[in-house]
Amino acid sequence: DVKVTQSSRYLVKRTGEKVFLECVQDMDHENMFWYRQDPGLGLRLIYFSYDVKMKEKGDIPEGYSVSREKKERFSLILESASTNQTSMYLCASRALVYEQYFGPGTRLTVT
Amino acid sequence: RKEVEQDPGPFNVPEGATVAFNCTYSNSASQSFFWYRQDCRKEPKLLMSVYSSGNEDGRFTAQLNRASQYISLLIRDSKLSDSATYLCVVNARRTGGGADGLTFGKGTHLIIQP
Repeated sequence: DVKVTQSSRYLVKRTGEKVFLECVQDMDHENMFWYRQDPGLGLRLIYFSYDVKMKEKGDIPEGYSVSREKKERFSLILESASTNQTSMYLCASRALVYEQYFGPGTRLTVT
Repeated sequence: RKEVEQDPGPFNVPEGATVAFNCTYSNSASQSFFWYRQDCRKEPKLLMSVYSSGNEDGRFTAQLNRASQYISLLIRDSKLSDSATYLCVVNARRTGGGADGLTFGKGTHLIIQP
């Protein structure tokens, strides 16, 4: 059974804090993705990675960075959290074919 | 024109009825199409891929119209458990190489009423 896990389901951070969101997949997938989902805006791609140490910007990379040191792990970093980064963050992975598997999401609140 | 566009709904449908909704896409070079389902406060999950010839999976039928650039989802004999948000998903090659990216519509909210 495919599995994508995220380090936290709920997270509350203060403005200016550095935030790490971790994602792990056990399917040996090459591609991993970070999205945020907001009401009325849908899913928006922040960053993706198609191989270890490789990364590409998605549609809204500003204020975020990522790290992929191992194939199974893809981390999203908020260098200095701001209130407009309060959102649901979803990690996903997929192999070369297109079925994309999502993690359960992290609901981040920045106060 | 937005890349992937869906009617947000909500569609309120009585149990047992048939419901259909469409999704339009702007990139004529798109090759792959999907419907995902997302339950409230849960992650999206693949419902079905959409093939050129159309495809059926139980009560669900998906169709692709390349000429008009839309895909559709038909649900027959709707159940209460079909209540969810249905996301239309289209592939879109991104600049800079690497993986193709999937573009998600904002979703159509479906409510099946008893």
